[in-house]
Amino acid sequence: EIVMTQSPATLSVSPGERATLSCRASQSVSSNLAWYQHKPGQAPRLLIYGASTRATGIAARFSGSGSGTEFTLTINSLQSEDFAVYFCQQYNNWPVTFGQGTKVEI
Amino acid sequence: QVQLVESGGGVVQPGRSLRLSCAASGFTFSNYAMQWVRQAPGKGLEWVAVISYDGSNKYYADSLKGRFTISRDNSKNTLYLQMNSLGAEDTAVYYCARPPSYCSGGSCYSHFDYWGQGTLVTVSS
Repeated sequence: EIVMTQSPATLSVSPGERATLSCRASQSVSSNLAWYQHKPGQAPRLLIYGASTRATGIAARFSGSGSGTEFTLTINSLQSEDFAVYFCQQYNNWPVTFGQGTKVEI
Repeated sequence: QVQLVESGGGVVQPGRSLRLSCAASGFTFSNYAMQWVRQAPGKGLEWVAVISYDGSNKYYADSLKGRFTISRDNSKNTLYLQMNSLGAEDTAVYYCARPPSYCSGGSCYSHFDYWGQGTLVTVSS
């Protein structure tokens, strides 16, 4: 199965700054990559699919890029509500697999 | 709005069984495939199983070795996961998740549009 590796494990950022999160696949997943936001006790929320398409209702400060094996989630001008865990998922191959997550903290 | 609410988690002894439920609302449940995903403590998410919109197709993670059964009752807008012969490795938060409508047959690979909040299953003596 495809192994998804996220870095860094924890990212310390100040409100208003930019956060850049990375996700690497062990083999090409084309653009079949999604990003999610997960806050404790809440349901994970889809942010990006198709590597760069924002899901419905997602703020423009969230953007995704990349293809093949290297992907990036960028959060511009971090807001207080953006501090959470972010994880990536590939859906190019069965089974779908997920990264371990990056915690974005203040 | 779309809501997925899991229930049925708890503490269970090794070797016993447990059935999880996921109550869906805010969309036409019978039009969508549904999936289960789990996350063990300190680990990443792991896909568990998928069922097609009508229950005719079901697929499972190889690691489950036939111990789990996914099912649905479209008249009750509810998804189920029957888990048998539970072991410590099954301790996890279990989430139900909905893929996009174009994956209603269950056999396509996709992201998940909506997730529930999860229910914790702890296998311990």
